[in-house]
Amino acid sequence: AQSVTQLDSQVPVFEEAPVELRCNYSSSVSVYLFWYVQYPNQGLQLLLKYLSGSTLVKGINGFEAEFNKSQTSFHLRKPSVHISDTAEYFCAVTRMDSSYKLIFGSGTRLLVRP
Amino acid sequence: GAGVSQSPSNKVTEKGKDVELRCDPISGHTALYWYRQSLGQGLEFLIYFQGNSAPDKSGLPSDRFSAERTGGSVSTLTIQRTQQEDSAVYLCASSGRGLAGTYNEQFFGPGTRLTVL
Repeated sequence: AQSVTQLDSQVPVFEEAPVELRCNYSSSVSVYLFWYVQYPNQGLQLLLKYLSGSTLVKGINGFEAEFNKSQTSFHLRKPSVHISDTAEYFCAVTRMDSSYKLIFGSGTRLLVRP
Repeated sequence: GAGVSQSPSNKVTEKGKDVELRCDPISGHTALYWYRQSLGQGLEFLIYFQGNSAPDKSGLPSDRFSAERTGGSVSTLTIQRTQQEDSAVYLCASSGRGLAGTYNEQFFGPGTRLTVL
């Protein structure tokens, strides 16, 4: 079975500061990795994904993440955050099989302060 | 519309009543997923449909939960004899069919917020 751990339930940060949201996963098989964002009262939107190839992936809104297989991590980073980045961020994995059902972490609330 | 739609957006029901939640996937998408987002359990997979294949029901929490997908398009999630712990946001997602063995992005709907009193 797969599991995802997001240790930080909330991350407060000042506007224009850098931020890192941590994600670790556990799996006995190879997985694909994702970060989703959920703005208040909205559905989930894909930020970025790692399927294969370069371990540094870039997504929308200036976010990027690095896959580290030895540390089973997929941390999300942004060099300079905006007020509009305030949202809930979810890390997720899926097995490389035909169903691709997503296993989510518990989420990290990013709170950007002016 | 171009995205996944769900109805109703909000549903308030009394304990013991049955509810039906609807999902309209993106036109042409063959895969459809239901997830549940609750305070206690976070985001969890419920059920998956792919074309005419038997659905993957491994995430359904009890036999009070069922889902069907008619004509390979619209899906209905039914919860019988609702309990307070069923209160959650129910999210639907759909994805297209690509080459065998390739991942296709899941697009999520806005969800249905279910409150069981």
